[in-house]
Amino acid sequence: QKEVEQNSGPLSVPEGAIASLNCTYSDRGSQSFFWYRQYSGKSPELIMSIYSNGDKEDGRFTAQLNKASQYVSLLIRDSQPSDSATYLCAVNIRVQGAQKLVFGQGTRLTINP
Amino acid sequence: DTAVSQTPKYLVTQMGNDKSIKCEQNLGHDTMYWYKQDSKKFLKIMFSYNNKELIINETVPNRFSPKSPDKAHLNLHINSLELGDSAVYFCASSSRKTGYNSPLHFGNGTRLTVT
Repeated sequence: QKEVEQNSGPLSVPEGAIASLNCTYSDRGSQSFFWYRQYSGKSPELIMSIYSNGDKEDGRFTAQLNKASQYVSLLIRDSQPSDSATYLCAVNIRVQGAQKLVFGQGTRLTINP
Repeated sequence: DTAVSQTPKYLVTQMGNDKSIKCEQNLGHDTMYWYKQDSKKFLKIMFSYNNKELIINETVPNRFSPKSPDKAHLNLHINSLELGDSAVYFCASSSRKTGYNSPLHFGNGTRLTVT
């Protein structure tokens, strides 16, 4: 089982709709979860972090965490063409006393005008 | 500007050569990383340094040697470059002082092409 798994997509959503991105992880002890957005040819940029079960909202973005199910998701409301990018789920995994941020393979999202 | 900066942005070289990538952060972070992003966009950790000490060393060939002269700098030297080393290499930093919850801040990446 991969440490962090995402559907690679591509995911196509019409403008104005809700885009839903999903991620599962293997380490039950993980405490920190992040969503990064990466435009083509650019570096990943942090858009959301979540540490507790439940929902966390920031503008049009909502992150959802369910530690029992080892599942984290990102909802983008009122999707805009500028949201078209690859979204990377990242999870802190314990490794012999250290922590490393492990990324999923990314979901490519396209918002259609 | 406060940032993670890495040089060069592009690096084109032939197989067998040795090359280095430099990274500097002025965010006051104490932990720095090298990540490799392959052609399928999979981002994988290579190394992590905390206060100049190596704390994570993934299964990376010995041809890759990181070096951290101080906590604001982390360089990556690659010997005997191979075609499979072609990728984008990202430097990143974070702060362990705030615990394990600190997100990573990425540099702009170095696109390495080995011919």
